[in-house]
Amino acid sequence: QKEVEQNSGPLSVPEGAIASLNCTYSDRGSQSFFWYRQYSGKSPELIMSIYSNGDKEDGRFTAQLNKASQYVSLLIRDSQPSDSATYLCAVKIGTNAGKSTFGDGTTLTVKP
Amino acid sequence: GAGVSQTPSNKVTEKGKYVELRCDPISGHTALYWYRQSLGQGPEFLIYFQGTGAADDSGLPNDRFFAVRPEGSVSTLKIQRTERGDSAVYLCASSAGTAAPLFGPGTRLTVL
Repeated sequence: QKEVEQNSGPLSVPEGAIASLNCTYSDRGSQSFFWYRQYSGKSPELIMSIYSNGDKEDGRFTAQLNKASQYVSLLIRDSQPSDSATYLCAVKIGTNAGKSTFGDGTTLTVKP
Repeated sequence: GAGVSQTPSNKVTEKGKYVELRCDPISGHTALYWYRQSLGQGPEFLIYFQGTGAADDSGLPNDRFFAVRPEGSVSTLKIQRTERGDSAVYLCASSAGTAAPLFGPGTRLTVL
């Protein structure tokens, strides 16, 4: 079992819809959770960080964390074609600086 | 402000050669990370520096890989006796405190 698991996709949604991206992790000591967006041929770009159970909203993005279920998700509202990318989930033990473990990402396509 | 910079952007070398990859982190970031990413996979952790010292080098695949950060700023990843399997994008990231790592543009290494 991989430490961080994501559905590889591709996930396809129409423009304007809500895209839901999911991630599960195996280490119950994980306390820091990050979502990155990666366009083809580019490096990962940080979208959201979340540390506490519940929802965290930033513009069209909402991160949801459930530590009991070891599950973190990213919702993208009013999806745009420019949101088409690979979304990477990363998990870190503790809250200090240190190693983050990444999933292999979910590829999202938003169709006009 | 300036982001993480990496040089070179591309490096082509022959099997058995030695290569050095450079990373210049965001000013003031004490934590510096090296990851590598192969096509279709998430970033794979290599090493993490806190200041000048390697706080976690558990991801270095073997003793051909070595990294330094002598003055707590710029870091160099060194790969000896390169192999074709070392071909990947090498990503450097930096962070301040507990914040998520922010990535540079990466160095694409090709070993022929």
